[in-house]
This record gives sequence, C-alpha cells and structure tokens, in this order.
Amino acid sequence: AQKVTQAQTEISVVEKEDVTLDCVYETRDTTYYLFWYKQPPSGELVFLIRRNSFDEQNEISGRYSWNFQKSTSSFNFTITASQVVDSAVYFCALSEAEETSGSRLTFGEGTQLTVNP
Amino acid sequence: KAGVTQTPRYLIKTRGQQVTLSCSPISGHRSVSWYQQTPGQGLQFLFEYFSETQRNKGNFPGRFSGRQFSNSRSEMNVSTLELGDSALYLCASRRTGTPATNEKLFFGSGTQLSVL
Repeated sequence: AQKVTQAQTEISVVEKEDVTLDCVYETRDTTYYLFWYKQPPSGELVFLIRRNSFDEQNEISGRYSWNFQKSTSSFNFTITASQVVDSAVYFCALSEAEETSGSRLTFGEGTQLTVNP
Repeated sequence: KAGVTQTPRYLIKTRGQQVTLSCSPISGHRSVSWYQQTPGQGLQFLFEYFSETQRNKGNFPGRFSGRQFSNSRSEMNVSTLELGDSALYLCASRRTGTPATNEKLFFGSGTQLSVL
C-alpha cells in the first residue's frame, strides 16, 4: 500500500526566510510519480511539480526547488526567500503508474505554511 | 481557458438526505476525478470517470456514486447523508485520461458540504 507522510503539520516563518517542507513516501512499485500541490484559502489545489521515479535530478523553478532522493524515499520542497503569498497548505502526493490507477493520488496530510511579514 | 468549475460552492443538508454535486472539467479534458477532504482523514480519492465509465474507485461505501456525461461533465451523489460526510469535495480533470501517463490534475475550488 502507498503512503505519504508530511511530518510537519504547521510551519511559521518570517518573510524572506527559506523554508523546507518534508515529504516521505512508501510504495512497493518501481515506477511511480510524485507531486506537490498548493492549496490556498480559496480551496483549489494548484499543481506545482510532477516527478517520476526514474528522474532523480533536482529541479528549480524560480524560488521553488525540489530534492528527490530515492535512497531515503523523500521528495522535499524548498521555498527560497519566502513571501506572504506563499502562505497556504502544501500537499505531497504519490501515484502508481499502473493501468487502472493512473490518476489516483495518495496525499500526505499537508503542511500549513504561514509566512509573516 | 476556464478552469474546473464546481457547483454549488456551499451546501447544507440534514442527515438522511441525499445530495448531488456537479463538476464541469476544463474544455477538452475527458477524465474527471473526485476527492473528499476532511480535517481528520485528509484528501481521499473517491472515483475517476473517463468516457462516461468509472475507471477507478476508492474505499468509500456504496452511498457515494457518480456519473459522467457525454460532454465530460460529472456529477457525484451521496445518498442517506451522515454527519461524517461533511467535507470539501474536490473535482479534478485531466486531458486524455490515458492510464499510467500521470498527467497533472487540475482541481476545482470544491463544494463545501455540511451535514447537520
């Protein structure tokens, strides 16, 4: 069975600080996909990144960066120079790459990030 | 391009009633999935529809059902509502619905259901 754990329930930082959100996953599949989504107060989940299990390269997109390490089953997300607009709940998610479950995501519990001015 | 649209935004029902929620996917998207979000259980997969057929189903009782129309719009229905059904119900769409491609899902803002 798949499982995603986000141990940090809430994080509070001051604007311009860097912050890392942790994500640890469990799966027996060799091929899988990892995602990060952002949920602002409006409710919709906003896609941030998708990574497949064969691509361990770290990725940077503006102030966002992701560190994928299969050896530790982790897919951590770092926001550099945080801004108030980054305040939201962030979810890490996992999906299998199988025929019948293509879009079924298993989500972590989410991390509430608050960036204070 | 309009995003995923869910109606209504808020809904209040009483125990024992039934409810129907609606989701219009992004134009051209053929797959629609539904998720339930509660403080206690987090985000949980309900089901996915593609070409009017249910492709995948989560671990929810038979009171939860859905359907998809030929224009890809989807509805989900919950019968005999229980207090524990109070949740944010999120709909998501993706373009092709091709299995194992794991295209990114686009989510709507959800329907907040309160059962009294």
